[in-house]
Amino acid sequence: GDSVTQMEGPVTLSEEAFLTINCTYTATGYPSLFWYVQYPGEGLQLLLKATKADDKGSNKGFEATYRKETTSFHLEKGSVQVSDSAVYFCALNMEYGNKLVFGAGTILRVKS
Amino acid sequence: DVKVTQSSRYLVKRTGEKVFLECVQDMDHENMFWYRQDPGLGLRLIYFSYDVKMKEKGDIPEGYSVSREKKERFSLILESASTNQTSMYLCASSFLVAVSSYNEQFFGPGTRLTVL
Repeated sequence: GDSVTQMEGPVTLSEEAFLTINCTYTATGYPSLFWYVQYPGEGLQLLLKATKADDKGSNKGFEATYRKETTSFHLEKGSVQVSDSAVYFCALNMEYGNKLVFGAGTILRVKS
Repeated sequence: DVKVTQSSRYLVKRTGEKVFLECVQDMDHENMFWYRQDPGLGLRLIYFSYDVKMKEKGDIPEGYSVSREKKERFSLILESASTNQTSMYLCASSFLVAVSSYNEQFFGPGTRLTVL
């Protein structure tokens, strides 16, 4: 079945460090890909998305590129802030499907 | 702004109690979802509803049931709560996929349920 694998956390960085959170997927067709973020005490919110190969999603300084050849959608940010501390979830949705498949989540901790 | 609200942020119940978790959305979304979130396991889908009175089992439906009598409201029911149902429960909603080709889900803040 369809699945998403994320790097294990927690990831601990100092402020202004470069962030990469790896995400790879397995899918039989051509999924849309998402990164959701969960700040402490809150529900998930969509951070960025990409609906086809080579698309780049971006928001709040975060970026991810849909790489069909490596079945990956790695999340990057050039300079993290303490306020980026959260849990990040990679997810996929098959074309015209109603359900999301989530990865296990990666905890990010940013120290000042 | 899309709003998904859940009836409680924290809930403590005893083993064997019947538990109701309520979710309401104000965006006229067709789809509604219940997930549970556990450390290291991510989000796992319990049940999904794509229309009033319609439901579909997710990955872990055992021990749960759902009710959708109105489009904006989706309830999760634990018929007889057990300690292994202690978890964070998240509700989400989205448009039916025919409206758009991808499925952005909007989440509520979650209910942290403890079963003693």
